[in-house]
Amino acid sequence: GQQLNQSPQSMFIQEGEDVSMNCTSSSIFNTWLWYKQDPGEGPVLLIALYKAGELTSNGRLTAQFGITRKDSFLNISASIPSDVGIYFCAGLPSGAGSYQLTFGKGTKLSVIP
Amino acid sequence: DTAVSQTPKYLVTQMGNDKSIKCEQNLGHDTMYWYKQDSKKFLKIMFSYNNKELIINETVPNRFSPKSPDKAHLNLHINSLELGDSAVYFCASSQDRGLAITGELFFGEGSRLTVL
Repeated sequence: GQQLNQSPQSMFIQEGEDVSMNCTSSSIFNTWLWYKQDPGEGPVLLIALYKAGELTSNGRLTAQFGITRKDSFLNISASIPSDVGIYFCAGLPSGAGSYQLTFGKGTKLSVIP
Repeated sequence: DTAVSQTPKYLVTQMGNDKSIKCEQNLGHDTMYWYKQDSKKFLKIMFSYNNKELIINETVPNRFSPKSPDKAHLNLHINSLELGDSAVYFCASSQDRGLAITGELFFGEGSRLTVL
C-alpha cells in the first residue's frame, strides 16, 4: 500500500516556540488531512486540505497542501503546553473512499513550560 | 453527546479468552471503521463497513470478526486472544456518499486491550 513519510518522529520544544512538521508521499494525493491525538484519546481532525497549493489556518495552526500534491506541512505558532500530543498526517488518493485514507506514523510533540 | 462511543475503554484479559468491543455513532454517518494502534502509535485500518456491508478487510487474523447490526453500530469480536493483540482499538466513522467523501474521520476514545 501507499506510505507516508512523516517527520520529525518526535520533537521537544520550549513553550512559545514555533513548530514545523511535514509529510511526504511517493504518490499523488487529492486530499491531505492533519489529525491530533491527545494522550488517552482518539485522533481529532485539525485541518483538511483539498486543493494543491492551498494554505489553511485554524487558530495557531497553519497547514499547506504542496504544489506537487505529494507533500503537506503543518506549522504551529507560539506553542503552549496543551499542544502536547501526537500529530498525524493522512492522505486520500483521487476518487477514493475514506476507507483508503493512509496515515503517517505520527510526530510526537512535547512542550516544555 | 458523544459522537462516536466505544466500550469498554479498558479491557484486561487472559490469553485464549474471547472478548468484544462495541461501537456506536450518532452522527448519521454511513461508514464505520476499526483501527488498531500499536505500541509505536501506528494507526492501521482493520475493517470498514458501509451501510452494514463489509467494504474493507485488511490482513487481519480470522480470530477478529466485525459485526454491524445497523449503520450506527460496529462491534468487534476477538476469539482466542493472543499476547500480540494487546493494543488500543479505535472505532471511527465518516460520511462517504457522493460529494461527501472527505477523508474526515471521527474517532472514538479507544479501547485499550491488554492480554496477559
